[in-house]
Amino acid sequence: DTAVSQTPKYLVTQMGNDKSIKCEQNLGHDTMYWYKQDSKKFLKIMFSYNNKELIINETVPNRFSPKSPDKAHLNLHINSLELGDSAVYFCASSPTGGYQETQYFGPGTRLLVL
Amino acid sequence: GQNIDQPTEMTATEGAIVQINCTYQTSGFNGLFWYQQHAGEAPTFLSYNVLDGLEEKGRFSSFLSRSKGYSYLLLKELQMKDSASYLCAAMNQAGTALIFGKGTTLSVSS
Repeated sequence: DTAVSQTPKYLVTQMGNDKSIKCEQNLGHDTMYWYKQDSKKFLKIMFSYNNKELIINETVPNRFSPKSPDKAHLNLHINSLELGDSAVYFCASSPTGGYQETQYFGPGTRLLVL
Repeated sequence: GQNIDQPTEMTATEGAIVQINCTYQTSGFNGLFWYQQHAGEAPTFLSYNVLDGLEEKGRFSSFLSRSKGYSYLLLKELQMKDSASYLCAAMNQAGTALIFGKGTTLSVSS
């Protein structure tokens, strides 16, 4: 009965590879997010989707491409991985994306690029 | 622009009270959040303040002063399990995404 789930939990890969991270929420929420948390624990918004539509695209390299096949899923594809992409990537969701709403975070995907 | 500042680290002992401060500068204000993050885990929601004053929730309370751009999280009767990072966050101007501070790592010792 996990609310927000992500796969894989750990991902170790070589520079230059392409990889995907999947996120699913079973809360019936309309809005989903991707955050990146770097080695200094700084959590930063990357993307936000509402009902499969892109709402926010922060200053993120276009090697990162989110895809939302339906409102319960938001996947993140990363092309040509670089060392600096090593981080923990968190997916989150909220009911409608309203400013007062709690966001529910997934367990994170720990990406290490060698 | 948005800027959120909080201390990097704090230490305290079991049973004590600790106050974690957060100052923010935002273009527009849509409320201030506190999240807790244990090492290796996801952030979890603690509190939300949009009006001035103190919101109490069990051992945890959160205070907001909009005129001063200031909030604090107060933790009472500290327990070892309270050792975690505490993240202060404000909504961006559009009200569409959370902008997080860098977090305060609290270490509780016996």
